[in-house]
Amino acid sequence: KNEVEQSPQNLTAQEGEFITINCSYSVGISALHWLQQHPGGGIVSLFMLSSGKKKHGRLIATINIQEKHSSLHITASHPRDSAVYICAVPEEGAQKLVFGQGTRLTINP
Amino acid sequence: DAGVIQSPRHEVTEMGQEVTLRCKPISGHNSLFWYRQTMMRGLELLIYFNNNVPIDDSGMPEDRFSAKMPNASFSTLKIQPSEPRDSAVYFCASSLRNGAGGYTFGSGTRLTVV
Repeated sequence: KNEVEQSPQNLTAQEGEFITINCSYSVGISALHWLQQHPGGGIVSLFMLSSGKKKHGRLIATINIQEKHSSLHITASHPRDSAVYICAVPEEGAQKLVFGQGTRLTINP
Repeated sequence: DAGVIQSPRHEVTEMGQEVTLRCKPISGHNSLFWYRQTMMRGLELLIYFNNNVPIDDSGMPEDRFSAKMPNASFSTLKIQPSEPRDSAVYFCASSLRNGAGGYTFGSGTRLTVV
């Protein structure tokens, strides 16, 4: 079974700071997912990536397949970025996702 | 497309009652997933369907839980009888190509069993 570890579990920063959230997994995968969940809200899929880097606005996701590691970066962070960010990978040989425990990000104005 | 539609958004019920959660996946998506989210255990997969057929229900907690997908545009998750420990947010998600195309989540159903 794929094990997924995220760090940090909680992160508080000031508006404008550069944010990095890390995700490590134990078994090789076809793709990794980054999800966002606002307090009391639904889950939004931010990225699905299998190699290299993807960028969407101020969000950048990178993955190193050899290292089994991915990072989610937020540039010029804003209070509306405050949310839980969840990394997820497919279970080996299966279609279902295994989730990290999530990183709770709080951006103060 | 309106996205994955779940109903109800909130459900409060008494212990022992039957609860039915509903999900309409994105048109054309051939995979549907039911997840449960709690503070203690985070997100857990309960069951998923490919082309309306249940593929893996190993995450279904016990016989009180059942899920159906009678057609490509509708699925239900039923709990009978409900218990307080079933209180959680239940998410439905759908995808193309058995998950390989990324996932779209519904807004979730917040279930409270008192």
